[in-house]
Amino acid sequence: GAVVSQHPSWVICKSGTSVKIECRSLDFQATTMFWYRQFPKQSLMLMATSNEGSKATYEQGVEKDKFLINHASLTLSTLTVTSAHPEDSSFYICSASFTGGYETQYFGPGTRLLVL
Amino acid sequence: AQTVTQSQPEMSVQEAETVTLSCTYDTSENNYYLFWYKQPPSRQMILVIRQEAYKQQNATENRFSVNFQKAAKSFSLKISDSQLGDTAMYFCAFMKLPQGAQKLVFGQGTRLTINP
Repeated sequence: GAVVSQHPSWVICKSGTSVKIECRSLDFQATTMFWYRQFPKQSLMLMATSNEGSKATYEQGVEKDKFLINHASLTLSTLTVTSAHPEDSSFYICSASFTGGYETQYFGPGTRLLVL
Repeated sequence: AQTVTQSQPEMSVQEAETVTLSCTYDTSENNYYLFWYKQPPSRQMILVIRQEAYKQQNATENRFSVNFQKAAKSFSLKISDSQLGDTAMYFCAFMKLPQGAQKLVFGQGTRLTINP
């Protein structure tokens, strides 16, 4: 149990376009989802925390207008990278937790974004 | 703010040997969780082991065990009888005691290679 999926697993786009990444909890209700960014050979850096039905809380230094996060249901959160540029190329990972089980985060398999 | 430090960027051992990965952290909190996550080449984050700070007994999971020294703020991971499949990046992570969802703070990671 406690499976989290991400779609797409990889995406290549042209500079200036927007890209949407989906994060789904397949067998539980994810009251909270987290979005991380990981550069090659580096650690995971939290971008934002989203609670179902509320606005996301962004970490310091993360542009909320560039990285739009929506958590409209208990099983789906989306991250939209608007007007993507090559420096946005990275590995994006989501995780999810549920009420009463906050000490455990279940991670998705990640999405590799390459902006040309 | 909490910080997590992993001082060993890379380690390499022979199969079947025992290896210990180091982690230190800084916090003013008294109650929290500590985690070790594994990220194999697939880049899927996998929870290896978890320790609650209020528990004095060190957590163990089969070949994986921790040495938790709360006063020293140290949390090392020991892998016994290492296997080729243990080759991965290992991240130490900190989480404040959940009152609602809390974020994970990751260390820089240690790249572990198990040689045949």
